[in-house]
Amino acid sequence: GIQVEQSPPDLILQEGANSTLRCNFSDSVNNLQWFHQNPWGQLINLFYIPSGTKQNGRLSATTVATERYSLLYISSSQTTDSGVYFCAAKETSGSRLTFGEGTQLTVNP
Amino acid sequence: EAQVTQNPRYLITVTGKKLTVTCSQNMNHEYMSWYRQDPGLGLRQIYYSMNVEVTDKGDVPEGYKVSRKEKRNFPLILESPSPNQTSLYFCASSRTFSSNQPQHFGDGTRLSIL
Repeated sequence: GIQVEQSPPDLILQEGANSTLRCNFSDSVNNLQWFHQNPWGQLINLFYIPSGTKQNGRLSATTVATERYSLLYISSSQTTDSGVYFCAAKETSGSRLTFGEGTQLTVNP
Repeated sequence: EAQVTQNPRYLITVTGKKLTVTCSQNMNHEYMSWYRQDPGLGLRQIYYSMNVEVTDKGDVPEGYKVSRKEKRNFPLILESPSPNQTSLYFCASSRTFSSNQPQHFGDGTRLSIL
């Protein structure tokens, strides 16, 4: 099945800093999503982005499907951005989303 | 509001006592799925359903049952729960199995089996 790898595993920032999270996947996909898992365990859907670029406020994402990677950009980070960020991909013939291991983001005041 | 609703959100129970976690979606989605999340193992799929009366095993189906009698509901059944089923569970749905549409997740259910 598809492999999904995220980097870095951990990231510590000062409030106001920018960051880039990366997701590499091993096969063609028809679904790629970014999630933020908050301290209560909820998976918040940030982006559905199998290709192209999207922006939502301080967050944006880019997926280059031909090169099999996706990037999540967080600008002007806030303490409320802390948590784990997951990338998940579904290969075209697959039955499920395969999740990466996540990036643990800590934003300090 | 489009949503996936799981109940209960939290449950502490004992080994062997049958339990059901309910999942309901109001988006008329055909595809539904259950995942479990464990530290160090990430999220893994338990079962999925492509439509009413069509279910199939995911990566970790042992110890679980599901049913899909109605389009909106996809309950997860633990007939004889054991401590190794202590986990955070998520239900998800999408328009169809093969669609290039996002999957929508419920808020999660924390199960503790003592």
